[in-house]
Parts: sequence; structure tokens; C-alpha cells
Amino acid sequence: DTGVSQDPRHKITKRGQNVTFRCDPISEHNRLYWYRQTLGQGPEFLTYFQNEAQLEKSRLLSDRFSAERPKGSFSTLEIQRTEQGDSAMYLCASSLWGSRGENTEAFFGQGTRLTVV
Amino acid sequence: KNQVEQSPQSLIILEGKNCTLQCNYTVSPFSNLRWYKQDTGRGPVSLTIMTFSENTKSNGRYTATLDADTKQSSLHITASQLSDSASYICVVISFGNEKLTFGTGTRLTIIP
Repeated sequence: DTGVSQDPRHKITKRGQNVTFRCDPISEHNRLYWYRQTLGQGPEFLTYFQNEAQLEKSRLLSDRFSAERPKGSFSTLEIQRTEQGDSAMYLCASSLWGSRGENTEAFFGQGTRLTVV
Repeated sequence: KNQVEQSPQSLIILEGKNCTLQCNYTVSPFSNLRWYKQDTGRGPVSLTIMTFSENTKSNGRYTATLDADTKQSSLHITASQLSDSASYICVVISFGNEKLTFGTGTRLTIIP
């Protein structure tokens, strides 16, 4: 257990439905990352937060995707109008970014496996 | 474009044998490089972190090397065990924004 938890672990949804995933990072970590991983591939960056601020969004994050981290603690990733191509593992990671620019290693959650049917 | 390439894509070896996984990257500017182990259906778990000045680092049966001049890294596993069966992912972190760029991983299978 890395200390990063994701919920749910698995989600099956019909095409066109909306889904929301939650990530609880390690409590003192101020950076939180979302990645998407398809079978046989490495994780692809989606977005990351420093505290509650969303600092970067990948072009992979279409307008159907939205992520929030309202209080700088847990984060949610919502996918609207899901498509079959959204089927993947969605990974969350957290790290501690220091005031001098040093960054601890990123710890990953177990992921949420999304299947769109 | 910042990229991380790993080889081989997959590898099957007998239990007890050694193996070496390769990682080449073009990420710049470079901050550090990490090797992660990912079991099927689980999140990646860190094995080693290599900074610019480090050439070799060991963690039990895992030894990572880094050549920052040629932008290459390797992960050597000695006396492999069945539990080593997993994907091994090389991740390079950019200096400044600390962005993680992932390789596609090497799928390692240990057979008895």
C-alpha cells in the first residue's frame, strides 16, 4: 500500500454515461497527478495539480474530461458522455513539491479500471 | 519531443537467471530517472531513483545504471524470482516542471 487510494477500483459503464473517479493522495503531498494507461502501454499524462491549482492539462484531456482538487486534498476526475475509447486504467499519483523546487518521488494508487460497453 | 523508449518489449527467462532491461530517453532538461515495477492491474511502485550524478544504484537484487551523456539507463535483475514477473517502466523527470515522461515498459515473465 503506497498511501494513495483510488475509488472505485473497477467501473463498468454504458457508452454515453458520465463517470467520476476519486483519488486520495498521501496527506502531506501537495502535487497530484492523473494518468491514463491502456493495455500494454505506459501511463500517459493527463493533468496535475499543485494544491488546488490545476497547473497543466494534456491535449489528451478533451472537453469531456474535467478534474478538480477543490481543497487541495482529494481529487476527482469526471468523464462525461463516455466512449469506448475511454476504456483504460486511470492512475493517480502524488508527490511533495518543496519550496526550493525539489520533488519527492511520485507514489501511485492502484488505479481505477474503466470499461465502457 | 521528449520520449522514453524501452527494450525489449517483453522478455521471458527462467527462474534464477539474470536479465537486463534498457531505457533510452531524449527528455531534456533532465532531472532524474526512475524505474517502476507494475504488477498486472496495479499501480506502479518505485524501485530506484537516479539523479544526474549517479551512475549506479542498487536495491536488493535490482541494480540500475545511468549514463547521462548517452541518455541511457539499464535495470539489471539478478537471481530472478517468480515474483519478479511484472512490467518494468522507466520514467524520466524533467528539470524545472518535474513532469514525468513514461516509457512503454518491458513485460518480464519468469518461468519456473
